[in-house]
Amino acid sequence: DAKTTQPNSMESNEEEPVHLPCNHSTISGTDYIHWYRQLPSQGPEYVIHGLTSNVNNRMASLAIAEDRKSSTLILHRATLRDAAVYYCILRDPLSGGYNKLIFGAGTRLAVHP
Amino acid sequence: NAGVTQTPKFQVLKTGQSMTLQCAQDMNHNSMYWYRQDPGMGLRLIYYSASEGTTDKGEVPNGYNVSRLNKREFSLRLESAAPSQTSVYFCASSQRVSGQVYEQYFGPGTRLTVT
Repeated sequence: DAKTTQPNSMESNEEEPVHLPCNHSTISGTDYIHWYRQLPSQGPEYVIHGLTSNVNNRMASLAIAEDRKSSTLILHRATLRDAAVYYCILRDPLSGGYNKLIFGAGTRLAVHP
Repeated sequence: NAGVTQTPKFQVLKTGQSMTLQCAQDMNHNSMYWYRQDPGMGLRLIYYSASEGTTDKGEVPNGYNVSRLNKREFSLRLESAAPSQTSVYFCASSQRVSGQVYEQYFGPGTRLTVT
């Protein structure tokens, strides 16, 4: 699975938008981009995934660069509950190993009142 | 739906002791996983089970054994605990989101300390 690079930490104020970047310059054409987050003292939870087009769901938006070498997770209005570690993960569903996710260190997001 | 449940929540072992971490899911998922998370790091896959009756090694399987007891339950056993196995252990199961893309659901974790 290709490698991702994320900033170690970011900060935001409550009710402001947050853009969490992820670089994946070695992404292959069949790699999906997944985002998970881990709230304090909890297991990770799925946020969103995409392949080529931008994606929106109730939690966030995913903006994927045209060359797919980077992506950005967008939280439109950060709340205190969004303080978590955010993981950007590439996964090729056709690569075998049955849906294994490789977690990096992620980005720790702090949200200030 | 309870989702993915894990027992115990906390455990302290002495070096050389054995124990089994239990995991169960009530979402009828085929695939289940065991991860460990060391302080300040991401999760690492220990073992996974694509379906009932099958198990495979992940990144860090040494020192662990697993049993897929039935579709619901996937246990992780430490035969002879070592201080290096001090970690938080997460169990997960997965379901198809779209096409060949799966979403993983995680349990609350078991915090294990080996002294």
